[in-house]
Amino acid sequence: AQTVTQSQPEMSVQEAETVTLSCTYDTSESDYYLFWYKQPPSRQMILVIRQEAYKQQNATENRFSVNFQKAAKSFSLKISDSQLGDAAMYFCAYRKDYGTDKLIFGTGTRLQVFP
Amino acid sequence: DVKVTQSSRYLVKRTGEKVFLECVQDMDHENMFWYRQDPGLGLRLIYFSYDVKMKEKGDIPEGYSVSREKKERFSLILESASTNQTSMYLCASSRQFSPYEQYFGPGTRLTVT
Repeated sequence: AQTVTQSQPEMSVQEAETVTLSCTYDTSESDYYLFWYKQPPSRQMILVIRQEAYKQQNATENRFSVNFQKAAKSFSLKISDSQLGDAAMYFCAYRKDYGTDKLIFGTGTRLQVFP
Repeated sequence: DVKVTQSSRYLVKRTGEKVFLECVQDMDHENMFWYRQDPGLGLRLIYFSYDVKMKEKGDIPEGYSVSREKKERFSLILESASTNQTSMYLCASSRQFSPYEQYFGPGTRLTVT
């Protein structure tokens, strides 16, 4: 069975600095999708970034980028120029390419941003 | 603008009560999901529906049931609420067989006393 592990329950970063959140996963599939979701204190979860496993290029969305290491089964999220609004719970999630639309989530990392 | 709404943000119920949590999406999505979120455990899937009247058990279905009579609406039912069902409940929807994301509702914080 697939699993997703986030080993950092809490992280903190100074405003304008860079922080990296870690995620590892376990799967025997070769095609799949990986996601980072953000859940601000208001609780509505939103997608930050998505990576297709067949793409070698790391996904980037403005200040958010990933380091996708398929062989190592690692999918870290880098937040550059951190802002106060980045403070949130961040969840890493995995989805198989076919057969199911279900996501498997990690346990989350709480990110604090200090001014 | 895509939208998933949940009937209540906060709910307090007594042990043994029957509890209904409702979720509505306006995106014509085929898939709808109910998750439970607890600190240190992340999101765990309770039930999943891929079509009207169709449902599939998730990882923690015990003590819960669901109903999907219309495409846009997915209800989670706690037949006899217990204190260990105190939690945050999140609803989500997605297009079927699509690599795109799930869209989440704001959540319902349920307290069972």
